[in-house]
Amino acid sequence: AQKITQTQPGMFVQEKEAVTLDCTYDTSDPSYGLFWYKQPSSGEMIFLIYQGSYDQQNATEGRYSLNFQKARKSANLVISASQLGDSAMYFCAMRVAIYNQGGKLIFGQGTELSVKP
Amino acid sequence: DGGITQSPKYLFRKEGQNVTLSCEQNLNHDAMYWYRQDPGQGLRLIYYSQIVNDFQKGDIAEGYSVSREKKESFPLTVTSAQKNPTAFYLCASSIGRQTGELFFGEGSRLTVL
Repeated sequence: AQKITQTQPGMFVQEKEAVTLDCTYDTSDPSYGLFWYKQPSSGEMIFLIYQGSYDQQNATEGRYSLNFQKARKSANLVISASQLGDSAMYFCAMRVAIYNQGGKLIFGQGTELSVKP
Repeated sequence: DGGITQSPKYLFRKEGQNVTLSCEQNLNHDAMYWYRQDPGQGLRLIYYSQIVNDFQKGDIAEGYSVSREKKESFPLTVTSAQKNPTAFYLCASSIGRQTGELFFGEGSRLTVL
């Protein structure tokens, strides 16, 4: 079964420190995509970073990087130099292909990150 | 500005009433999606549409209905058959059938009284 698992319901990090949010996935499809989204208390979903299953290098976007370990089926998000504005829910998601119907994203349960001043 | 507009932002409904949530996009995206989010949980797919006049059930379609008569619009009706409709509803779109990145609206919060 295709599934995304986030095992950390909540995390705390000190401002300016780095933090890693865990994500593991399960799929038998050789072609897939992995995403991270941020959801502030306002409710909007903000796209952060994407990693394709065939990408050779780990994705990076500013302070965000994705630690992609294909053999372990993990796609952890690393946030460097945490800021107070990083406090939010973070969701890991995977693109699942559906034959002849394009694809859809399935989401993990989320991790609530709190940045302490 | 291009984006996705959901309305209303907050909605209250009495039990037994149907309610329709609006979702409009001006991004010229082919695919549109409806997700439901319950407190402390991830997003679950209700319905999705890859092209106009076509849509598929997601993981939790029971008690919901949709239409896709125009590329720009993908309204969701929460019917009285939905047993627990109080939730946060998010509409999203993506460029094409295989493109994964979703662009989200700001959401609609439905409360059943």
